[in-house]
Amino acid sequence: KQEVTQIPAALSVPEGENLVLNCSFTDSAIYNLQWFRQDPGKGLTSLLLIQSSQREQTSGRLNASLDKSSGRSTLYIAASQPGDSATYLCAVRPNSNYQLIWGAGTKLIIKP
Amino acid sequence: EPEVTQTPSHQVTQMGQEVILRCVPISNHLYFYWYRQILGQKVEFLVSFYNNEISEKSEIFDDQFSVERPDGSNFTLKIRSTKLEDSAMYFCASTLTASTDTQYFGPGTRLTVL
Repeated sequence: KQEVTQIPAALSVPEGENLVLNCSFTDSAIYNLQWFRQDPGKGLTSLLLIQSSQREQTSGRLNASLDKSSGRSTLYIAASQPGDSATYLCAVRPNSNYQLIWGAGTKLIIKP
Repeated sequence: EPEVTQTPSHQVTQMGQEVILRCVPISNHLYFYWYRQILGQKVEFLVSFYNNEISEKSEIFDDQFSVERPDGSNFTLKIRSTKLEDSAMYFCASTLTASTDTQYFGPGTRLTVL
């Protein structure tokens, strides 16, 4: 059974720092992996999607990498800003399913 | 930019009542999903729907739940005889294809069962 884990559960850093959020999954048989952002009480905003054949994806200050064989993905945020404060979730799409399986998220606080 | 919409944003109901949560997926998308997130817990998959039938469902999606696409635009989740533990945020999502596309999520409906 696929399990997704995100470390750390919470992270607080000063504005301007570069940071890395981690996601690991137990079964490497995946179609893709998505990173989402969730603001308190709000919906899920897709940030990046990495197909199983890809190694990384970039969007602005965000870069996500995927190492399928080791069951790991990282989300790199460059030059963090207070507006980046949110919970970041990763989710994997197993090969055999339509669903996404989710991690518990990393709550990120960027201090001005 | 096209987006998934959900109504209502907040639904309060009494235990034992039936509720219908509504979603309008992105217009050209073919695959539709419902997820839920109980406060403080992980997002959980409920069901996926394609070509007017359920393509996959989780253990959570028992006989209490049903989904329907009553017309060309709406996708609904019905919860019969609601229980306190059904209180959660319910998210609808849609994709164009099953395997490779981003799942786009609506803003969610917060269901409170009293």
